[in-house]
Amino acid sequence: TQLLEQSPQFLSIQEGENLTVYCNSSSVFSSLQWYRQEPGEGPVLLVTVVTGGEVKKLKRLTFQFGDARKDSSLHITAAQPGDTGLYLCAYGGYQKVTFGIGTKLQVIP
Amino acid sequence: SAVISQKPSRDICQRGTSLTIQCQVDSQVTMMFWYRQQPGQSLTLIATANQGSEATYESGFVIDKFPISRPNLTFSTLTVSNMSPEDSSIYLCSVERGTTNTEAFFGQGTRLTVV
Repeated sequence: TQLLEQSPQFLSIQEGENLTVYCNSSSVFSSLQWYRQEPGEGPVLLVTVVTGGEVKKLKRLTFQFGDARKDSSLHITAAQPGDTGLYLCAYGGYQKVTFGIGTKLQVIP
Repeated sequence: SAVISQKPSRDICQRGTSLTIQCQVDSQVTMMFWYRQQPGQSLTLIATANQGSEATYESGFVIDKFPISRPNLTFSTLTVSNMSPEDSSIYLCSVERGTTNTEAFFGQGTRLTVV
């Protein structure tokens, strides 16, 4: 059983479109993280959300932490081919990070 | 953050052979982590490498197949032993910062193909 459920698992969209990916759990977290892994690279931390209802923006990426701190979403506006990659939701517990299954995004030029 | 160098970045190996992957960190860390990422999949933790003690392996992974060394606080190796095509994966080294709300930092990974 996955602690963190991500959806969709695969997404292929045209350049310029908007998209949202989701990370859900039945557990309450003190924080959630989002990582992006580009082809041929290791995952890179994008953001950590720590407060229920928090919204963080990173250029065209908007991250939201649910009010109940059980879920998070990532919204990308006007997707670019450079956004292609695997987006991982994760929970940073005591000296251990647990990852969701990921959303594989392909942005077609 | 941390700068993590992993090598080799990729290799193609014959079945039955072994490959040792090296991971170097730019600062001293207590724990280093080794992950496997099978094609199209997310990350699966293989083991946690502590300096001065044996590595701690996750369920489904054993020391005979994935021996790990941790000679000092900035370096670790993972060996994939007696390889089969099923071992074809990306292997990632990681360090983590923080004790609560821990965040992970990764090397670029080693893409292993076993033929």
